[in-house]
Amino acid sequence: ETGVTQSPTHLIKTRGQQVTLRCSSQSGHNTVSWYQQALGQGPQFIFQYYREEENGRGNFPPRFSGLQFPNYSSELNVNALELDDSALYLCASSLEDGRETQYFGPGTRLLVL
Amino acid sequence: DQQVKQNSPSLSVQEGRISILNCDYTNSMFDYFLWYKKYPAEGPTFLISISSIKDKNEDGRFTVFLNKSAKHLSLHIVPSQPGDSAVYFCAASVGTGGGADGLTFGKGTHLIIQP
Repeated sequence: ETGVTQSPTHLIKTRGQQVTLRCSSQSGHNTVSWYQQALGQGPQFIFQYYREEENGRGNFPPRFSGLQFPNYSSELNVNALELDDSALYLCASSLEDGRETQYFGPGTRLLVL
Repeated sequence: DQQVKQNSPSLSVQEGRISILNCDYTNSMFDYFLWYKKYPAEGPTFLISISSIKDKNEDGRFTVFLNKSAKHLSLHIVPSQPGDSAVYFCAASVGTGGGADGLTFGKGTHLIIQP
């Protein structure tokens, strides 16, 4: 069974740029959630995708957007990057509309200069 | 407003002793609670969970206790081993997996097991 994978592992961008982060779900999982973990904080929920539709969203502005593909892999897109977007971005997959335990990938470390 | 609080940023325990990590929550709607463990440069790893209909759940060396009236849960690790040194996150949700609202995490407690 393949776990959750994310790419890239690290990324450096400058303020105002756009970034795309990628996530492959654990085998058999149809739900993907994205979290932002700032330094010294716990992960904070960005949004969740279930069967290619956004299923729920946390307190993040619209410049954070996502996609889920038919194979249940997912992308997180962030436009107009700000310095405060520097964080670890975590993807988690689960079964059935997020009603089962979420399993996390290793994360992508984003630094905005 | 932090809905899940872990008030101890770090905890040092001697190998072989019991480690007790604490977590408090404020949202009465939370009915499912989880503990995740995180090593540096890795994602959080699911450890153990508990539903609000129970007050205790055990899995090997790990036991989670839930006190709904106090809105408090704790994770007991016994005996503590060097490999348990990591950051432990408490998380809560409405429904088993968080559903459309996701998981709400505390800030974490860094557990250090001393030889």
